Amino acid sequence: QKEVEQNSGPLSVPEGAIASLNCTYSDRGSQSFFWYRQYSGKSPELIMFIYSNGDKEDGRFTAQLNKASQYVSLLIRDSQPSDSATYLCAVNGPSSASKIIFGSGTRLSIRP
Amino acid sequence: DTGVSQDPRHKITKRGQNVTFRCDPISEHNRLYWYRQTLGQGPEFLTYFQNEAQLEKSRLLSDRFSAERPKGSFSTLEIQRTEQGDSAMYLCASSFVSPDEQFFGPGTRLTVL
Repeated sequence: QKEVEQNSGPLSVPEGAIASLNCTYSDRGSQSFFWYRQYSGKSPELIMFIYSNGDKEDGRFTAQLNKASQYVSLLIRDSQPSDSATYLCAVNGPSSASKIIFGSGTRLSIRP
Repeated sequence: DTGVSQDPRHKITKRGQNVTFRCDPISEHNRLYWYRQTLGQGPEFLTYFQNEAQLEKSRLLSDRFSAERPKGSFSTLEIQRTEQGDSAMYLCASSFVSPDEQFFGPGTRLTVL
């Protein structure tokens, strides 16, 4: 079992709709959870982080964390073509609070 | 520009040659990380520093890889006797101890012929 699992996609969502990205992780001791956006050929860009169970909202983005189910999600409201990218879920590692483990990413495509 | 910078942005080398990459973190950050990313995968942790101390190194990192952060500021990553399998994007990130959100540099793309 991978430490951080994501559906590779591609996930295709119409412009203006809500995009829902999901991630599961294996280590119950993880405390920090991150979502990065990566455009093709570019480096990852931090868009959200969450430490506590529940929802965290920032503009059009909402991160959701459920530690009991070991599940993290990212919702993007009013999706725009510029949101088309790979979204990487990352979780702090089992043996080191400083090391973060990335999933393989979900490719999101927003169709006009 | 106050972000993480990396140099060079691209490197093409022949198998067996040594290469060295540099990373300059965000100036206030005391943690610095190196990752490697191949196509279709997320970044893979290589090593990290807190100030000048190298605190963790991936078990996947062979002896051909070495990293330094001599004065707790910039860092270098050296790969000796490069192999074609070393071809990847090498990413550097930095953060505070707390909060530990990591910010990435633009990366160095290595191609080993």
